[in-house]
Amino acid sequence: DIQMTQSPSSLSASVGDRVTITCRASQNIGNFLNWYQHTPGKAPKLLIYAASILQNGVPSRFSGGGSGTDFTLTISTLQPEDFSTYYCQQTYRSRTFGQGTKVEIK
Amino acid sequence: QLQLQESGPGLVKPSETLSLTCSVSGGSIRNRSYYWAWIRQPPGRGLELIGRIYDSGTTFFNPSLESRVTISADTSNNHVSLRLSSVTAADTAVYSCARGRDSSVYAYSFDFWGQGTLVTVSS
Repeated sequence: DIQMTQSPSSLSASVGDRVTITCRASQNIGNFLNWYQHTPGKAPKLLIYAASILQNGVPSRFSGGGSGTDFTLTISTLQPEDFSTYYCQQTYRSRTFGQGTKVEIK
Repeated sequence: QLQLQESGPGLVKPSETLSLTCSVSGGSIRNRSYYWAWIRQPPGRGLELIGRIYDSGTTFFNPSLESRVTISADTSNNHVSLRLSSVTAADTAVYSCARGRDSSVYAYSFDFWGQGTLVTVSS
């Protein structure tokens, strides 16, 4: 199984901050890496696919990078609606998720 | 706009079978460009893929659940079903369905999800 490790598991930030979440795969997954936002009570939302491509309708303050084993999700200017939990997902072999990163209000 | 809605009993007794339906509106489940998946999230834990089904009917399951899982598609009623047998308290979770894009161009990502439904396993 391919293991996905996110860091940090949680972070506190303020509106307007720049936030970066990292995701590491246990083996090379190329660019088969997706990012989702999950707010309790809502359906998860696809933000980034193929490591760096912004899903239609997602604000441009979200960006993704990396390839191989190390990936990042960056929110350039945190907005109130961005306080949520973020998950990476590999789809290179089967599909597995990271454990999530909760972004909380400082 | 595609919408997915999970439904089924919120309480299941240990050793019984959990049965859920994912009703899809705004699009047909019969489309070779997509596949359909079930995902769950136990309380306080992360997301776990249960399995997925393709337009061909081919299914793949999480090895840890494979012996207990069935996923099927009902094209007449445009829904995808999940059955998980011999449940225990460890199967208590929010269960969600999602549509996956069956192309490497999209890194097989899930572009639409349901809100999820909580299933508690308890006597």
